[in-house]
This record gives sequence, structure tokens and C-alpha cells, in this order.
Amino acid sequence: QLQLQESGPGLVKPSETLSLTCTVSGGSISSTSYYWGWIRQPPGKGLEWIGSIYYSGSTYYNPSLKSRVTISVDTSKNQFSLKRSSVTAADTAVYYCARHKGATVTTLSGSWFDPWGQGTLVTVSS
Amino acid sequence: SYELTQPPSVSVSPGQTARITCSGDALPKQYAYWYQQKPGQAPVLVIYKDSERPSGIPERFSGSSSGTTVTLTISGVQAEDEADYYCQSADSSGTVFGTGTKVTVL
Repeated sequence: QLQLQESGPGLVKPSETLSLTCTVSGGSISSTSYYWGWIRQPPGKGLEWIGSIYYSGSTYYNPSLKSRVTISVDTSKNQFSLKRSSVTAADTAVYYCARHKGATVTTLSGSWFDPWGQGTLVTVSS
Repeated sequence: SYELTQPPSVSVSPGQTARITCSGDALPKQYAYWYQQKPGQAPVLVIYKDSERPSGIPERFSGSSSGTTVTLTISGVQAEDEADYYCQSADSSGTVFGTGTKVTVL
């Protein structure tokens, strides 16, 4: 059964870079059928898609977050990662990784997320 | 990008039917998906492609679509169905989640 697990620092200082890794087990991140995505949820608020990546490195990003976000993949470790630079308190959230099904290199139309990792809380504070 | 709008809350008595709507201009052209999120847990997919139910999801969960509105229906609501529910859809270059609905079982 496919499982995803987020890891990374739980506390990041303002203006620094948030870095998280998602480790995939029970399946290969190099599957030609799937993208892999990051979603975040500020405390008490809704879900926000950050971006998604294919094993080849092809990416999609949320336009509202794109300028300070980088998503990368390491197929040798079956992992993908998220970096968000120059963070502020507004970046405090639970960050989830998930398999992004239905996405292709030409379109995200008809795509969805399943399964999800358990999530990791990242707090931005000095 | 576009928006998906849901009612903030829905209250229902055990055994009754809960209906959660999600409205968006792109929905006539795009599939919708539904997630259940219980406190402190990750979201779980309960409906995909408007009305398909993943394996392991109880039959009381169903989905439908009409014009710019999609609906998640929970028939015979149980106490364990109390949770937040989010719709989600995607166009060619992005994906968006609905505003979320808290379902309270009275």
C-alpha cells in the first residue's frame, strides 16, 4: 500500500527558507502515471495547493505562490521536496504531500490527490 | 484560476441526509472531487470524478453534478461522519480546493 511521509524542521525563522521532504514507500515515485504534490493548510483554515512534480522534473505551481517555491524530485531516494524562500508568519501551516493522480505533462484537468501523507506542522517564528 | 464556494456549515441529525454543495463556474467542464478531513488528520478522498466512490468508502457517500454546482450527499449520517469536507477541481494549469464545509452531527 502506498504511503507518504513528510519530514523537515517544525520551526523556521522569518525570512529563511522552509525545506520539506516527502518520502514515498510501497510504490515507485518514477511511475509514469502520477505526479506528486504539495498542499498546505494554515491553522483553522482551508486547503491550498502549492505545486506538483513528475519524476522527470516537470512541474506545475500555484501562480500565487510560484515566485518563492521550488519543488524537486530525487528518484534514487524515492523522495520529492519543497522549498519556500523568504517565509513569513503567513507560511505557518500543516504541509501535506500527496500523490497527484490524473495529472499529465500537458494538463492538470481531471486530476486529484490520493493518498495523502499525515502532514507536518511548520511554524514560522523568531 | 477560479474559485469553488461551499457553505461554511451543515448540521444534520443521525440517520438523516446531509447535502454539501460546491459551486464554481468551471464545474460544467471539469470533474469535481471530495475529501473528508477529521480533526488532526489528513484529508481522505471520498468521491472522485463527480460521482465515483473509491474502494473502502461507505455506500452512504455519493456525488452528483448539475451545471455549476456539484453536491456531496451523505445518506443515513452517522456520528463518525462529523468532519470538514472539501471539494476540489482542476483546469489545465492549476487545481483549487473549495472553501470547506463543517458537517456537525447533532
